[in-house]
Amino acid sequence: AQSVTQLDSQVPVFEEAPVELRCNYSSSVSVYLFWYVQYPNQGLQLLLKYLSGSTLVKGINGFEAEFNKSQTSFHLRKPSVHISDTAEYFCAVSDLKAGGTSYGKLTFGQGTILTVHP
Amino acid sequence: GAVVSQHPSWVICKSGTSVKIECRSLDFQATTMFWYRQFPKQSLMLMATSNEGSKATYEQGVEKDKFLINHASLTLSTLTVTSAHPEDSSFYICSARTSGRTLAKNIQYFGAGTRLSVL
Repeated sequence: AQSVTQLDSQVPVFEEAPVELRCNYSSSVSVYLFWYVQYPNQGLQLLLKYLSGSTLVKGINGFEAEFNKSQTSFHLRKPSVHISDTAEYFCAVSDLKAGGTSYGKLTFGQGTILTVHP
Repeated sequence: GAVVSQHPSWVICKSGTSVKIECRSLDFQATTMFWYRQFPKQSLMLMATSNEGSKATYEQGVEKDKFLINHASLTLSTLTVTSAHPEDSSFYICSARTSGRTLAKNIQYFGAGTRLSVL
């Protein structure tokens, strides 16, 4: 079984400041990791994903995340946030389905609400 | 990116009635769709996986007779909450997955969700 823990339920930050949203996971098998963002009244949108290769993954809107296998973490970072980054962010983990061509089901963390203040 | 449309966005119904929620992939075909439920301040919980042309696979603890899922075409899946009760009030979210020959092309796109309130 897999689980995801997002360590902060809310993160307030001032505009142009750096931010880190923390995510830890547990799994007995190799995993694939995702960050999704949900703006008000919209569906979840994929920010970035880690499948394999480089542990530093760059996504949309200037976000990046680093996969750390030893610490079982996949923290999301942005060096300078904007007001428009205010949203809820979800970390998710998946394993690999038999056959290797698609993911297993996604397990989500509880979400982190990022609020950027002017 | 691909778009998933979910309708209605908000529905209020009386206890004992049934409610149907639609999930459409607008610009791609999805052989697999997912239905999630989200309680306030909690994570998305997978209810079932819907495969086009076959029966849905329900997660443990989800009543298949209460939450009827139909995936009759490659662009439409529906969730019907039968004989709804106040405890069924929640936020329901659907997702559709693109398919490709590599993992990188398999991406889940999400609808905006449906808020169900049962009175």
